Amino acid sequence: AQSVTQPDIHITVSEGASLELRCNYSYGATPYLFWYVQSPGQGLQLLLKYFSGDTLVQGIKGFEAEFKRSQSSFNLRKPSVHWSDAAEYFCAVGTRGYNKLIFGAGTRLAVHP
Amino acid sequence: DADVTQTPRNRITKTGKRIMLECSQTKGHDRMYWYRQDPGLGLRLIYYSFDVKDINKGEISDGYSVSRQAQAKFSLSLESAIPNQTALYFCATSDLGAGSSTDTQYFGPGTRLTVL
Repeated sequence: AQSVTQPDIHITVSEGASLELRCNYSYGATPYLFWYVQSPGQGLQLLLKYFSGDTLVQGIKGFEAEFKRSQSSFNLRKPSVHWSDAAEYFCAVGTRGYNKLIFGAGTRLAVHP
Repeated sequence: DADVTQTPRNRITKTGKRIMLECSQTKGHDRMYWYRQDPGLGLRLIYYSFDVKDINKGEISDGYSVSRQAQAKFSLSLESAIPNQTALYFCATSDLGAGSSTDTQYFGPGTRLTVL
């Protein structure tokens, strides 16, 4: 069965520092992979997605993620975090053909000034 | 205007009451979904619908029912609400054509439901 693991429940970084959020997935074939962000009191906004091709994916708000098949990972990165990036981040894997998403438990990011 | 809207945004109810959460979309998508979010568990799929006549159970459908009244409307009902159904509920839509790589889900703002 497909599954997604986000090992870090909470992460705190200083404003301007770099960020990496980890995501590992379990899936029998090449997955569709997504990162969503949920700001306090808001719905989920798509940051970026990977379907095929270039394994380094650029998203909105300066985020990028790299698909590493050998490690079953899809880690999210940002070179310099802004205070407005404080939110909860969800990694998700999609099942091809039926478009159902399996979500990780989320990583809550706090940003210190 | 938002592409995916949910009503109500917040609801407090009592055990045993019937509750309906509504979702409407203007994206023209065929596929619609209901998820619930619980702290530490992420989002879990309750029901999904690929068109008006196609409704499927997700991983946690017990205690819930849905109705796809039209392409743009997908309602979630709790026939007899219980406290462990207290959660944040999200509706989502997607569109997937043959050979399309755009099967991305778009989420509504959520409904916070509290069952006392």
